[in-house]
Amino acid sequence: DSGVTQTPKHLITATGQRVTLRCSPRSGDLSVYWYQQSLDQGLQFLIQYYNGEERAKGNILERFSAQQFPDLHSELNLSSLELGDSALYFCASREGSSGNTIYFGEGSWLTVV
Amino acid sequence: AQKVTQAQTEISVVEKEDVTLDCVYETRDTTYYLFWYKQPPSGELVFLIRRNSFDEQNEISGRYSWNFQKSTSSFNFTITASQVVDSAVYFCALYGGSQGNLIFGKGTKLSVKP
Repeated sequence: DSGVTQTPKHLITATGQRVTLRCSPRSGDLSVYWYQQSLDQGLQFLIQYYNGEERAKGNILERFSAQQFPDLHSELNLSSLELGDSALYFCASREGSSGNTIYFGEGSWLTVV
Repeated sequence: AQKVTQAQTEISVVEKEDVTLDCVYETRDTTYYLFWYKQPPSGELVFLIRRNSFDEQNEISGRYSWNFQKSTSSFNFTITASQVVDSAVYFCALYGGSQGNLIFGKGTKLSVKP
């Protein structure tokens, strides 16, 4: 158990819909990362937050957005879903200043039908 | 630009064989971190090891060992006496200060047959 919690574990939704994926980082970790893993694109970095502020942006579509709340949990919002958004979405958190290990949650499997 | 290359897409071995997974990286950062993760069929990403750029000591953990060589920008992973439970996709990843996030290789799928 990495200590990073993601919900839901599985989600099936229709095209055009909107979903929210939730992540709770490890206790004490301030950084949260979101990654997308699809069969053809591998593991792609989407976005990073640190203590509530956006720190880095990767290949995140405009239809996607995220935020990190004061209690440090994070949400990834995916809207106007397309078939190609079907993927495994990972959240990860990074150890604080004493270390830089990045731990991943179990992922949220999103299927768009 | 930062890049991680895992040239071996798939490897198949018979149980008890030793197997080495290759990882080559590119970075201009002087301080960086290298990682290996295991992704079993169930899908989760399991952290295996982190190596700092200033620490070139090889590491052994049970049947797992890692060989970090800055001169060749490589961070290879060896499993000794492989077991069926080692079957998974293994990812090498690079974290550098200039990038601020993990850059992953495409992964190597290891199949260990009984």
